[in-house]
Amino acid sequence: AQKITQTQPGMFVQEKEAVTLDCTYDTSDQSYGLFWYKQPSSGEMIFLIYQGSYDEQNATEGRYSLNFQKARKSANLVISASQLGDSAMYFCATGGSNYKLTFGKGTLLTVNP
Amino acid sequence: SAVISQKPSRDICQRGTSLTIQCQVDSQVTMMFWYRQQPGQSLTLIATANQGSEATYESGFVIDKFPISRPNLTFSTLTVSNMSPEDSSIYLCSVALTGTSSYEQYFGPGTRLTVT
Repeated sequence: AQKITQTQPGMFVQEKEAVTLDCTYDTSDQSYGLFWYKQPSSGEMIFLIYQGSYDEQNATEGRYSLNFQKARKSANLVISASQLGDSAMYFCATGGSNYKLTFGKGTLLTVNP
Repeated sequence: SAVISQKPSRDICQRGTSLTIQCQVDSQVTMMFWYRQQPGQSLTLIATANQGSEATYESGFVIDKFPISRPNLTFSTLTVSNMSPEDSSIYLCSVALTGTSSYEQYFGPGTRLTVT
């Protein structure tokens, strides 16, 4: 069984500042992946970043980085230099060898000018 | 990456009717899934769409309510049958792309369904 916990229902950040969105997970799989998605008000799910459980280095994609701490079962998303267009819902998810994803409840990020 | 399209993008339907949602991918993929996102909620997996065989449903979802077809590796349909207002949700298809050391999962733009 898999479970994702996102404890921040909402977060606020000033434009150009960095923000960290928290995610902790629980899984019975030995090999698994961690994902972050962005969902703007339009409803589409935009893939941001992936971290494999055996990857020793934290994943980075442009302004997004995933702070992976396996022993603590956490996979926090760091967004650097926030932009107004980053305002959206952010979901953390985990998937195992069957590729089925389990999602957290999400964090609503608001970037203030 | 993968480019995924869904039809319709949104619809308003009367209770008791059925709606078929189409999902088209721009490349052949093995793993395809259907998810539901109820208003203000997170995503929940409905089923895995298997090419050439019956879909595999998650707990709480049944074939009679959500029949799925997967005739080839680029296309799938999800039907929401005998709809009720509780079926009002965003329905999303997704595909998993696997590499040698990673995998990515992409979603279609979603179908926003309102049942009156």
